[in-house]
Amino acid sequence: AQTVTQSQPEMSVQEAETVTLSCTYDTSESDYYLFWYKQPPSRQMILVIRQEAYKQQNATENRFSVNFQKAAKSFSLKISDSQLGDAAMYFCAYRSAIYGGSQGNLIFGKGTKLSVKP
Amino acid sequence: DTGVSQDPRHKITKRGQNVTFRCDPISEHNRLYWYRQTLGQGPEFLTYFQNEAQLEKSRLLSDRFSAERPKGSFSTLEIQRTEQGDSAMYLCASSLATGQGNGYTFGSGTRLTVV
Repeated sequence: AQTVTQSQPEMSVQEAETVTLSCTYDTSESDYYLFWYKQPPSRQMILVIRQEAYKQQNATENRFSVNFQKAAKSFSLKISDSQLGDAAMYFCAYRSAIYGGSQGNLIFGKGTKLSVKP
Repeated sequence: DTGVSQDPRHKITKRGQNVTFRCDPISEHNRLYWYRQTLGQGPEFLTYFQNEAQLEKSRLLSDRFSAERPKGSFSTLEIQRTEQGDSAMYLCASSLATGQGNGYTFGSGTRLTVV
């Protein structure tokens, strides 16, 4: 079974600085997708960025980028120029892309709570 | 279309009562998912539908839980004989079946408190 591990329960960053959130995963599959979701307090979960495992190029979305290391099964999220609105829980998630695999199942880590200091 | 809607936002019930939650997905999305999230944890998969067919159920979905999506549009999640351990946020999400790399769109959730 696939697992997702986020080893940092809480992180803090100064406004305008850069922070990196860690995520590792375990799978025997070769084809899958990885995601980072943001969940602000009492608000819905929002997709931040996605990565296809077959793509070597790291995904980037404005101030958000990932460092995808397939061999190491590592998928970290870098937030540049942090803003107060970035404060939230961040969840790393895995989804199989294998036909016949658990395609309906987005597997989440336990999350990292990010605080942004003004 | 304003996204995924869940009703109610909050539900307080006495132990042993039955509760039902509703989810209205994005209209063009043919997949609908239910997740449960407890405090300090990531969401845990419960079940998902493609159109009206329930394609996968987690072992977390005990016999007291039942989900339906009768016309392939909205879905309901019913919990019978609620227990205190059922207290959690129940999240609904939807997506297109094609392009599995597409992320899900989540609703705001239904927070269930069993007293």
